[in-house]
Amino acid sequence: EAGVTQFPSHSVIEKGQTVTLRCDPISGHDNLYWYRRVMGKEIKFLLHFVKESKQDESGMPNNRFLAERTGGTYSTLKVQPAELEDSGVYFCASSEHRGNYGYTFGSGTRLTVV
Amino acid sequence: QKEVEQNSGPLSVPEGAIASLNCTYSDRGSQSFFWYRQYSGKSPELIMSIYSNGDKEDGRFTAQLNKASQYVSLLIRDSQPSDSATYLCAAGGGGSQGNLIFGKGTKLSVKP
Repeated sequence: EAGVTQFPSHSVIEKGQTVTLRCDPISGHDNLYWYRRVMGKEIKFLLHFVKESKQDESGMPNNRFLAERTGGTYSTLKVQPAELEDSGVYFCASSEHRGNYGYTFGSGTRLTVV
Repeated sequence: QKEVEQNSGPLSVPEGAIASLNCTYSDRGSQSFFWYRQYSGKSPELIMSIYSNGDKEDGRFTAQLNKASQYVSLLIRDSQPSDSATYLCAAGGGGSQGNLIFGKGTKLSVKP
């Protein structure tokens, strides 16, 4: 089975620009999560989709971040306008079951804002 | 603030030895605990999950959970150079939402 796919793998943008990250979960996985790791910090939860609905977006840092999952398949995470502190690695993960089970991570998108 | 604490290391062990990795968590409501292995530049890979007090063994890996002490550990027996990686401890955030709280990770180096 194909894993969780994320692209781009790397993105370098200037402060104030817009970037859109995409995540394709494992087929059939209703639960999709976004996480972020800022350099020197731990991986932190951003939000959780169940199908196309946002189940929990308590980790979203501010309203410059917009996540969508139209049709309950792939998801996008848009940062607009990007700030320097948004630099980090953005991971997507998916799972078949809701609840506290381990899940499969994608390879991540390394975002650098200059 | 819910937290998971890990010693950042690096932890260095000789090949064939037992590597012991530890973490503590702050949220008593956490019910599930996970160990992820992350090679440099790669995504975290789930290697162990544990939900009940006691030990859980899977091959060379043993996870241990003590909810009273809010302590989770991972033992790696017969450590191999290929085990060299960063090991992330994560706790289920409580409830049924599924979000995880991660520690910063412990870097393990297994010397041939």
